[in-house]
Amino acid sequence: NAGVTQTPKFQVLKTGQSMTLQCAQDMNHNSMYWYRQDPGMGLRLIYYSASEGTTDKGEVPNGYNVSRLNKREFSLRLESAAPSQTSVYFCASRADTDRVDTGELFFGEGSRLTVL
Amino acid sequence: LAKTTQPISMDSYEGQEVNITCSHNNIATNDYITWYQQFPSQGPRFIIQGYKTKVTNEVASLFIPADRKSSTLSLPRVSLSDTAVYYCLVGDQSWYSSASKIIFGSGTRLSIRP
Repeated sequence: NAGVTQTPKFQVLKTGQSMTLQCAQDMNHNSMYWYRQDPGMGLRLIYYSASEGTTDKGEVPNGYNVSRLNKREFSLRLESAAPSQTSVYFCASRADTDRVDTGELFFGEGSRLTVL
Repeated sequence: LAKTTQPISMDSYEGQEVNITCSHNNIATNDYITWYQQFPSQGPRFIIQGYKTKVTNEVASLFIPADRKSSTLSLPRVSLSDTAVYYCLVGDQSWYSSASKIIFGSGTRLSIRP
């Protein structure tokens, strides 16, 4: 199993450009999450999705949009990138299937975004 | 959601036992306590989870007093490779819960010296 896969791993954008970060999990989990982590800081929740077709705002949703395309995929879109969005973005899925919820999060390797 | 408070940083030496305490005064009846470890340039990974008393696995032990208002992650005989950030989280892991928002705090930056 690949677990949680994020693409791209690195990206440099200019202010005002748009891009989408892709995330896919192959563990049949219901819930998925997007976090950002600035240098030396903890993780902050951007958006999460408790199930296919539903999304909810986290702590810092402004400037982002998300799409839960299907059970496997949860994408994060920056419509007009700003330097303040320079960060490492982590996608995670939660070990909650239709039968059990251990609450454990599985993280991807991260996507390092720089906005100039 | 119960808020957690943990030390910003800790230092220790190889071979020592390290205890990191997390305060969660507003923990709810259905809440579990979960600890994650994050190495530089990597996503966090699950270490241990518990509800009450003591839980032990191959990596760490988790001590939870009867009032559950705090918890202590214990790392036995640490090595340089235990240098990482450790996060304490509190939340409902119930299958029936609709509140699946999971918030990380700032964590504790643990530095192990030779």
